[in-house]
Amino acid sequence: QSALTQPRSVSGSPGQSVTISCTGTSSDVGGYNYVSWYQQHPGKAPKGMIYDVIKRPSGVPDRFSGSKSGNTASLTISGLQAEDEADYYCCSYAGGYTWVFGGGTKVTVL
Amino acid sequence: EVQLVESGGGLVQPGGSLRLSCAASGFTFSSSTIHWVRQAPGKGLEHVSAVSSDGGTTYYANSVKGRFTISRDNSKNTLYLQMGSLRAEDMAIYYCARLMFGDWGQGTLVTVSS
Repeated sequence: QSALTQPRSVSGSPGQSVTISCTGTSSDVGGYNYVSWYQQHPGKAPKGMIYDVIKRPSGVPDRFSGSKSGNTASLTISGLQAEDEADYYCCSYAGGYTWVFGGGTKVTVL
Repeated sequence: EVQLVESGGGLVQPGGSLRLSCAASGFTFSSSTIHWVRQAPGKGLEHVSAVSSDGGTTYYANSVKGRFTISRDNSKNTLYLQMGSLRAEDMAIYYCARLMFGDWGQGTLVTVSS
C-alpha cells in the first residue's frame, strides 16, 4: 500500500489560514469516509485532531477543520497560532484491516 | 477516558526478540480493532499490524510479515506484539492505537543495536 501524498511543509503568519492536502486513491481516501488527521509536536505522541473526515474530538479547537473531495482530503487551520507549529499526518482506511498514512507536513508559524 | 499504555520496549541485538504490551482502559476493549503503528527516528508513521476485536483476523505490513505476531487477551484488556528476527530498520517508537477513533498511547521505544 503506497503512502498518501502530503506537502513536505506549509507556513503562515499568526492569524492566517493554512490548508494541508492529502492525496490518495479511490482505494483509500476516495473510497471511504475514514480519514483522520494527527498533530505531533517534537518528542510527543500523535494527537488526533480530525476523524471521519470532518469530526473533531472533544477538546480540539474549532479552528481545525477537515474536508474531502474525491481522492484528496484536506486539513485547514484557521487563525493560526504559535502552538499549531507541529508535524501533521493524514491517515486513511484502505479496506480490510489496512490503514495508510501520509508522509507528514511540517507547519511553520512565521 | 481512553487510555492506551505501551510497555516492553528496550535495547535488543539484531536478530533478537522482544514482546511489546499495550494495556487498554476507558472503552470496551473486546469490541475494538487495535493497531500497532511505528515511527522510526526522524521519520513518518507506519501502520505495522492490526488485530480484529475477537483476535481472529490479523494484518501485517510487508516489512514485518513473518517476523512479528500480534495478539490480544480480551480478559486482560491487553494487546501484544511479539517481534522476532529484529533488524536495525525495526528501531522505532511503537504506538498502539485505535485508528478508527484516533486514540493513541504514548509509545515505547525499541532500539536494535549490537
